[in-house]
Amino acid sequence: EIVLTQSPATLSLSPGERATLSCRASQSITTYLAWYQQKPGQAPRLLIYDASNRATGIPARFSGSGSGTDFTLTISSLEPEDFAVYYCQQRNNRPFTFGGGTKVEIK
Amino acid sequence: EVQLVESGGGLVQPGGSLRLSCAASGFTFNIYSMNWVRQAPGKGLEWVSYISTSSSSIYYADSVKGRFTISRDNAKNSLYLQMNSLRDEDAAVYYCARGSNGGSGWPWFDPWGQGTLVTVSS
Repeated sequence: EIVLTQSPATLSLSPGERATLSCRASQSITTYLAWYQQKPGQAPRLLIYDASNRATGIPARFSGSGSGTDFTLTISSLEPEDFAVYYCQQRNNRPFTFGGGTKVEIK
Repeated sequence: EVQLVESGGGLVQPGGSLRLSCAASGFTFNIYSMNWVRQAPGKGLEWVSYISTSSSSIYYADSVKGRFTISRDNAKNSLYLQMNSLRDEDAAVYYCARGSNGGSGWPWFDPWGQGTLVTVSS
């Protein structure tokens, strides 16, 4: 099973700041990585697929990068609605696994 | 509008059974793989099961293998999860999620339903 490790667990930032979230895989997953955003009481929402492709309707301030085992989700300038939990997910192998999540909270 | 609506959650005793349903609308259901993903209270996401477009390929997480059965009815645009021998650790919000893969490989999940809560308690 591929283990995804997200860091940091919590990121405390102010609106307008840049957020950099990390996801590391226990073995190479090429670019088969997705990022999701989840707000309290809501279902997850796809942000990025295949490491760097924004999903439909996702603002340009969200960007993804990486390949192999190291991946990054960047939010260039945090908007109030961006404070949430973010998960990465790999689709290279079954079982499809998720990282433990990074909570982006208001500082 | 693409929509997934789960139902069937509730309170069940350990060892009991429950059948979840997911009604799909707004897209051509029979050309997408489908999945169940769960989230225990206050915890992260765990993929549970996958079913291909024609039900020819079905996979489960080890944690539910032999106890859960995924199925679909393309004529009814519906996905199901039969859960038997439920345990305390199966308590979670269960989401159905459409699978997409850009034409290659396993899926990412988009969109997700709103979820249905399964509580396992005596």
